[in-house]
Amino acid sequence: GENVEQHPSTLSVQEGDSAVIKCTYSDSASNYFPWYKQELGKRPQLIIDIRSNVGEKKDQRIAVTLNKTAKHFSLHITETQPEDSAVYFCALLAGGTSYGKLTFGQGTILTVHP
Amino acid sequence: KAGVTQTPRYLIKTRGQQVTLSCSPISGHRSVSWYQQTPGQGLQFLFEYFSETQRNKGNFPGRFSGRQFSNSRSEMNVSTLELGDSALYLCASSLEGNTEAFFGQGTRLTVV
Repeated sequence: GENVEQHPSTLSVQEGDSAVIKCTYSDSASNYFPWYKQELGKRPQLIIDIRSNVGEKKDQRIAVTLNKTAKHFSLHITETQPEDSAVYFCALLAGGTSYGKLTFGQGTILTVHP
Repeated sequence: KAGVTQTPRYLIKTRGQQVTLSCSPISGHRSVSWYQQTPGQGLQFLFEYFSETQRNKGNFPGRFSGRQFSNSRSEMNVSTLELGDSALYLCASSLEGNTEAFFGQGTRLTVV
């Protein structure tokens, strides 16, 4: 079945630095890869996503890259700010009949120090 | 456009009882998925409904069930509650189940 490994589990950076979170997966049929940000006590919020026919996608300070051959995808946050502090989850949607079934990584606690 | 709405926000139940949680998806979204979030297990998929039909189910015991109504609203039910069922239950809606999914604020269930 689907499996997603997310690293690192915790990440501490200084304001203005970049942060990178990486996820690896096993199912080559996976075709949709979203990233969610969850602040304490709040709902997971979709921040960026990428489909399997695209290698990179950017949205202001956030970018996601996908390497289908190596089966990994990464979240890049540049010029980090204290409000970026949260738990970040990668996820994927497998192909075939896996409608609505997101498989999540274990999460990365990002702390941005002012 | 209103977001995904879950009710109630908080619940305290006793072992052995049953509970029903509700989820109203974003208008126009026909797919509703349910997830259990715990510190130890993270976010785990429970099931997904589309047009009143369950299309996918996760690895949870039969005590966990759900349904979807013709207006796409969904409910999940947990019977014979156990202490280990204490968790944040999240629902997510999407147009068809293979596109962007948006989460509700969740129902925090505590079983005592």
